[in-house]
Amino acid sequence: EPEVTQTPSHQVTQMGQEVILRCVPISNHLYFYWYRQILGQKVEFLVSFYNNEISEKSEIFDDQFSVERPDGSNFTLKIRSTKLEDSAMYFCASSEEASPGWTQYFGPGTRLLVL
Amino acid sequence: AQSVTQLGSHVSVSEGALVLLRCNYSSSVPPYLFWYVQYPNQGLQLLLKYTSAATLVKGINGFEAEFKKSETSFHLTKPSAHMSDAAEYFCAVSDRLTGGGNKLTFGTGTQLKVEL
Repeated sequence: EPEVTQTPSHQVTQMGQEVILRCVPISNHLYFYWYRQILGQKVEFLVSFYNNEISEKSEIFDDQFSVERPDGSNFTLKIRSTKLEDSAMYFCASSEEASPGWTQYFGPGTRLLVL
Repeated sequence: AQSVTQLGSHVSVSEGALVLLRCNYSSSVPPYLFWYVQYPNQGLQLLLKYTSAATLVKGINGFEAEFKKSETSFHLTKPSAHMSDAAEYFCAVSDRLTGGGNKLTFGTGTQLKVEL
C-alpha cells in the first residue's frame, strides 16, 4: 500500500540553525500539507501546497518557514533559523484532491529538537 | 473558526470491554469529521470519516462512529477492545465552507490503554 515517508525520523539542531525536513508524498497525489505537534499539544496545520504554490498557511507559518517541491517526488519544509519553540513533531500529508472531505494520508513524522 | 474537543486525554478499558472515545465539534454547519489513530512511532492513520452520507460510519479494525447533529458529536466506539487497539486517537474536522481548502483542525487526542 502506498504511503507517505519522511526523513529524518529525528533531528537535533542548535538554535539559529537551518533545518530541512523531507517528505515523499504518495505518487499520484497532488496536494501536500505540513502539520506540527508540540509535545502535549494539538496537531496544528502549518501549510498546504499545490501546483508549486502555497494554497493556505496558518499564522504559525511565518517568514522563517518555507516549503518547496524540488523535484517530482520530494516535498520539503525549511525552517530558516530555528527557535526553541520550533521543537515539535512535524507531519507531512498528501491527498488526491484538496476539496474538504478528501482523505489526507500522513507520514510517520520527524521529531525536531532545538537546543 | 472550527474547533474540536476530545474529552478525556487518557482512557483505560479492559480487553473485551466497550471502547468509547468522545469528540464534539463547534460549527453551525456540520463539517467533515475524521478519526485518525496513531500507533507508537507511526504516522496518523485514517480510521473513518463522515462526509454527510450515512450518520453511522464504519471504519477499519471494527471501529465505528455516529454523527449526531443535535449533540454536535462524533464519538468513536468499538464493541470489544483488543490489546492491539492501544494507541492515540485523534478527532479532526474539515470545514465545508472554506472555499475548497482541506485544512484539518485536530483535537488534543485521547490515549487509549487496554488492560488485561
